[in-house]
Amino acid sequence: KAGVTQTPRYLIKTRGQQVTLSCSPISGHRSVSWYQQTPGQGLQFLFEYFSETQRNKGNFPGRFSGRQFSNSRSEMNVSTLELGDSALYLCASSLASGNVETQYFGPGTRLLVL
Amino acid sequence: GEDVEQSLFLSVREGDSSVINCTYTDSSSTYLYWYKQEPGAGLQLLTYIFSNMDMKQDQRLTVLLNKKDKHLSLRIADTQTGDSAIYFCAESNGYGGSQGNLIFGKGTKLSVKP
Repeated sequence: KAGVTQTPRYLIKTRGQQVTLSCSPISGHRSVSWYQQTPGQGLQFLFEYFSETQRNKGNFPGRFSGRQFSNSRSEMNVSTLELGDSALYLCASSLASGNVETQYFGPGTRLLVL
Repeated sequence: GEDVEQSLFLSVREGDSSVINCTYTDSSSTYLYWYKQEPGAGLQLLTYIFSNMDMKQDQRLTVLLNKKDKHLSLRIADTQTGDSAIYFCAESNGYGGSQGNLIFGKGTKLSVKP
């Protein structure tokens, strides 16, 4: 099975712009979660989508949004970019195994805001 | 609130055992996880333990859980240079559904000297 894929892998934007990141989950996975990783704050949960619905949301401003399509692929959007949005954005899809679901992560999209 | 603490660095010699420690605060946590992140890569799930277990062994990895002290450890036997990476402890209180909201520690950077 192919793993979680994220595109693009690297991105450079300037302040004030907006950006869209894409995540394709493992085939058959219906849940996609997004995380932001920065040296200062570490890994922080952004949001989770399941069957095209947002199930859970972290403490991020409304500039961060996402969606999920019927094929489970997900996108996240950041509007009005700030320097502090520079980070590695990780996507993970969930595998159900009885009552235990584990997340498999993609390689991430590294965003640099200048 | 939920919080996960880890020491930031650990240095060992090749062939020795490594022990990475983690403390968590959410007593309702159902699952606890260890992830590995190599430079420039996403997160790789190493192992997880259910909160009603004290120990779990998986080849060179041993996870010990002290639920009373909310202390989790990961022991890597016969540590190799390829084990050099950042190791993240994470907790989740999900049950029966996608654990979309993982709380991560800041990560422990393991350096293995030949």
